[in-house]
Amino acid sequence: AQSVTQPDIHITVSEGASLELRCNYSYGATPYLFWYVQSPGQGLQLLLKYFSGDTLVQGIKGFEAEFKRSQSSFNLRKPSVHWSDAAEYFCAVGTGGGNKLTFGTGTQLKVEL
Amino acid sequence: SAVISQKPSRDICQRGTSLTIQCQVDSQVTMMFWYRQQPGQSLTLIATANQGSEATYESGFVIDKFPISRPNLTFSTLTVSNMSPEDSSIYLCSVIIQGAGELFFGEGSRLTVL
Repeated sequence: AQSVTQPDIHITVSEGASLELRCNYSYGATPYLFWYVQSPGQGLQLLLKYFSGDTLVQGIKGFEAEFKRSQSSFNLRKPSVHWSDAAEYFCAVGTGGGNKLTFGTGTQLKVEL
Repeated sequence: SAVISQKPSRDICQRGTSLTIQCQVDSQVTMMFWYRQQPGQSLTLIATANQGSEATYESGFVIDKFPISRPNLTFSTLTVSNMSPEDSSIYLCSVIIQGAGELFFGEGSRLTVL
């Protein structure tokens, strides 16, 4: 069965600093990979997704992620974090054609001003 | 994108009772799902809501506990039956919109069972 590991439960960065959130997956076939963000009291918003092709994926809000098959990783990055990026971030792998998602446990991002 | 409306947004219920959560979408939907997010944890897929037929449940979830209906393309309900405090969670409806190719989530229904 598929699984997703987000090893960092909490991360704190200073505003303007760079950010990398780690995600490792386990899946027997070519994965569909996603990053979602959940702000307090709100639903999940898709940041970006990888289905195939270019392994560096650009998303919304200045985020990007790189798929590395050899490392089974799909880490999320942002070159300069804004205070409004404070939220919880979930990595997910999709099966059933990418429609049914298995989520990681999430990384809570805190941004210090 | 799509507007996904869930009702109620939150509720407090007594042990042993049942609650039905509604999900209404303003766009044509190809697939609908129900997820659960327990306090401090990640999201877990409960089931796929199938139009006009029984839902497809994931391992660990059963119809008697979580009956689901989907009478048409844009509407679904999830009932949490015979609730216990362990059912306290956020329940999220998610959909794939025709032509969109991605999963959208509602804002969730926060359920507290006393």
